[in-house]
Amino acid sequence: EAQVTQNPRYLITVTGKKLTVTCSQNMNHEYMSWYRQDPGLGLRQIYYSMNVEVTDKGDVPEGYKVSRKEKRNFPLILESPSPNQTSLYFCASKPGRANTGELFFGEGSRLTVL
Amino acid sequence: GIQVEQSPPDLILQEGANSTLRCNFSDSVNNLQWFHQNPWGQLINLFYIPSGTKQNGRLSATTVATERYSLLYISSSQTTDSGVYFCAVVSSRRDSNYQLIWGAGTKLIIKP
Repeated sequence: EAQVTQNPRYLITVTGKKLTVTCSQNMNHEYMSWYRQDPGLGLRQIYYSMNVEVTDKGDVPEGYKVSRKEKRNFPLILESPSPNQTSLYFCASKPGRANTGELFFGEGSRLTVL
Repeated sequence: GIQVEQSPPDLILQEGANSTLRCNFSDSVNNLQWFHQNPWGQLINLFYIPSGTKQNGRLSATTVATERYSLLYISSSQTTDSGVYFCAVVSSRRDSNYQLIWGAGTKLIIKP
């Protein structure tokens, strides 16, 4: 089944404890991105990647890192999480590098930082 | 940047009713998608519809790109249709980074 898989789906952690949210897609998509969703602010893009080894900042990259060492994976790294990173996170992917195409979303990862 | 407005913000209906949700956008787009976010937070792709009309069961959508709006129709509503419906677009601008710009959503409650 074609899908975008995120892990963990739910996580409660403490300030400063490094964590990684994994994202994997099995559709051979070139483009991948991360969004966070917060009440009243909607969904905002954190980082995106046009292809392997090509990543760039979205609107809210502060406090996050990403890597794209292989096509299928696009992990989101919080080196030193803070309470303002408590949010619902979504990974998305689409085929091709052109400025068209449907974005497919993972099921979301709900992160709480105490 | 491009603006996306959805209406109505809230909608309460009885089971079996029909509804129309609207999405207006302020500039030309390469992508328009409709999503349903269920009470557990999952985003469910409904339609990829930068132009034209599509149908999937009780749901259908129409985008009139030249007039910069899209409509989502839900017929014979069921309680499982409850949740928030989002419209999201990608601007045609070359520097858009293929970022989806989201509307604020329509919160739909279907009463049994």
